[in-house]
Formats: sequence, structure tokens, C-alpha cells
Amino acid sequence: RKEVEQDPGPFNVPEGATVAFNCTYSNSASQSFFWYRQDCRKEPKLLMSVYSSGNEDGRFTAQLNRASQYISLLIRDSKLSDSATYLCVVNKIPGNQFYFGTGTSLTVIP
Amino acid sequence: DAGITQSPRHKVTETGTPVTLRCHQTENHRYMYWYRQDPGHGLRLIHYSYGVKDTDKGEVSDGYSVSRSKTEDFLLTLESATSSQTSVYFCAIGAGASYEQYFGPGTRLTVT
Repeated sequence: RKEVEQDPGPFNVPEGATVAFNCTYSNSASQSFFWYRQDCRKEPKLLMSVYSSGNEDGRFTAQLNRASQYISLLIRDSKLSDSATYLCVVNKIPGNQFYFGTGTSLTVIP
Repeated sequence: DAGITQSPRHKVTETGTPVTLRCHQTENHRYMYWYRQDPGHGLRLIHYSYGVKDTDKGEVSDGYSVSRSKTEDFLLTLESATSSQTSVYFCAIGAGASYEQYFGPGTRLTVT
């Protein structure tokens, strides 16, 4: 089983739609969780950290479910500029490393 | 944007030649990482450093070595490049082991 698993998509949604991605992780001891976005042929960029109580940044909401070992990302009112690949990231326990999911592709359609 | 640069940005080399990629940061972060990204595999850790002269292996370290003689520089060396090392290489930095990472712009390496 992979350490981090994501639905690769692709997700094709119209502008203004709400879309949600889930990511499951295998190590229940993991403590740090993040969502990154990666545009085509560019480096991954931090979108947001994921906190235990859930957190929101504008149109983006991240949640952590420790009991079921998954994190989620909700995007409301999708914009064309949200088209990208979204990567979930979980830290490795023990160790100083992170596991990256293979990414979920999102295309927002006009 | 975090101050991370990578050089070269693109390189084409022949099988069997040595190649060194450089990552340079201006953030004074303790942790530095080298990843490779390939279709279907996502980002995979090659090596990382947790301080000057302190390095450790990642999940795909075979065929690669690293060095960190200064806080700001982390070098990745392919001793004898092979076609399977054709990839996009990203450097990343982090303030601590559980902190978010910031990525450099990447190096596209093609081994012919």
C-alpha cells in the first residue's frame, strides 16, 4: 500500500462549481499535512497547511480526519486559474521526510 | 517567493558522464531536499540534508550522491548518468523536519 494515495482524476468542473479532493495516508502517527498545487512544468507551491481543527483560506478549506486517516481539500466558486494538479503531503514518522501523493488534476472549464 | 535557485535549469548529457546539479538558498533554512519527479510516480525523495555536512538517503538514492559544505548550497551528483535518470529534479528547503517545504524552479535533465 502506498503511504499517500490520491484519486488522480482528472476532475473537469465548470467555473463556479465546488470541488473536493481526498487523500488517504497509511501512518496513523503522521503529524504534518499539507496541500500543494503544481502548474504544468512548474514547481509545487504550498497552498495550505492542514490543521487538526480544519482551516480555511478564502475559497479553500482543508480538513483532517484522523480516525479515517484522510485529508481533504474543498475549493468553492472554482476559477479558471484554479486549474492545476493538487498534491497532498504527509510527513513520515519516524524521520525527517515527507510523502507526496501523485496528485489530482483539476481543470476548470469556462 | 522563497529564495531558492537551481542550476542549470536544463541539461542534456550522455550516458556515463558525471553531472552535478546545484541548489542555492538565501533563506538560511536548515533542511534541504532533492526530489525527482516522473510521470506516474509523483515526487520521490533522493537525498536530504539536515545541516552542513549532515545528509541522509531518501527512497531513490541509488546512483546519486550529495554534498553540503555550506548552509546555502546543496549539490546533487550523478556519478555516471543513465537514461533512467532522465527526469525533472526539484530542490526544496524547510525550516524544520515537520515544517512546510518550498521548492526551487526545477532542473530538466535528459540523459541520452
